[in-house]
This record gives sequence, structure tokens and C-alpha cells, in this order.
Amino acid sequence: QVHLVESGGGVVQPGRSLKLSCAASGFTFTTYGMHWVRQAPGKGLEWVTVISYDGNYKYYADSVKGRFTISRDNSKNTLSLILNSLRPEDSAVYYCARGSGSPFDNWLDPWGQGTLVTVSS
Amino acid sequence: QSVLTQPPSVSGAPGQRVTITCMGGSSNIGAGYDVHWYQQLPGTVPKLLMYGNYLRPSGVPDRFSGSKSGTSASLAITGLQAEDEADYYCQSYDSGLSGYVFGTGTKVTVL
Repeated sequence: QVHLVESGGGVVQPGRSLKLSCAASGFTFTTYGMHWVRQAPGKGLEWVTVISYDGNYKYYADSVKGRFTISRDNSKNTLSLILNSLRPEDSAVYYCARGSGSPFDNWLDPWGQGTLVTVSS
Repeated sequence: QSVLTQPPSVSGAPGQRVTITCMGGSSNIGAGYDVHWYQQLPGTVPKLLMYGNYLRPSGVPDRFSGSKSGTSASLAITGLQAEDEADYYCQSYDSGLSGYVFGTGTKVTVL
């Protein structure tokens, strides 16, 4: 059974950093691209970033480019997201999701349960 | 502000048919990238509902159907049921942004 479990969320002050993790199980992690998607309270879904199966390709939404860094450890089936220079508008539930399909035509399935990040002083 | 536009809400009586549109542009849907749909029931995690424009994952009822034409896509729900009350999002890739994009989301209400 495919399972994704995020961790690392919490309350952080503006300008500070946070590291989110996503533990994957139940599938061959090394053959899938992985995404992060966020959802602010009461708002819609916003795609954040994707990393290729081998970690060689990474793409980011303009809203987080230069501040967030995605990475993966294929030996530990773990996906990570480092959030730097956090802003109040980064407050959201962050989901990790497995990407399927061809590059640039990925669909996301399944999704983890999400981890809440709150940026507030 | 998303590049994929959906109506904020649609509603219908049980048994009726409703359609959700996803309007894109020449750098996403119009460029030939696939459209995928997600259903988010209240208080739950988004779930894949449709992929590759019109393909249903196993377990998704055939009441749900998808289509794509030009720079837009549509999700239709026939035989609307109370359990279909949820938020629905389209998703595609945008070559101008070099990234993936979600639609603005549509809340479906069963009257």
C-alpha cells in the first residue's frame, strides 16, 4: 500500500527557516518524481515544487523560487523541503505527492496527509 | 492567481448533471499538456479523480467523465449524489511558468 507521511510543520517566525520531510513507503521510490503542494487555510491548491526520480531536475513555483529547496534521499525513501526566509503568506498545509506519467504531464497520486506550517510573530 | 480558471461554484439536485470547466491558455492546456482532476471532500486530503484528460483511476465511478478541447477542459458529473459535494481542482503543466498549475477550484453543492 502506497503511503506518504509528512512531518516537520509548526509555528515559525517570519524570516526564519523550517525543514519538512516526507517518508514514502509501499512503492519503488527511486522511480517516481515527487511534488510538494500547499493549501492555505480556506484557499485552493498551489503547486510548489517537483523533483525528478533521480534528483537531477527540480522546478519551483515563482512564489518560492530562491527561498525553498527540494531534495530527496533515495537510500532512505525520503523527500525533503527546506523553507527559508519564510513569510506569513507561506502559511499553509504542505502536502507531498507522488508524480506519475510522463515528464511535464504528471498527475499527483497519492497525497500525504499534510503538515501545517504557520508563519507568525 | 492561477492560470487555470474554474467557476467558484456549481450546484445541482440529486440525479442531475453538472459540468465544471477549466479554462487555460496556449502555454498549458492549449499547448497539449494533459489535464488532471482532483476531488477534495470537506476536511480531507485531495484525491485524484481523473488523469490524462479523461481516464478514471480504479474505484472512481463512471458518473465522472472528463474531456479536453482547445484551451479548456471539463469535468462532468452525471447522476449527482450527496457524496459528490466537494471541491474540485483541475491541474496541468505550464511551459511559460516551467511548472505545474492548479485551477482556482470549484465547490460543488448538491441541493
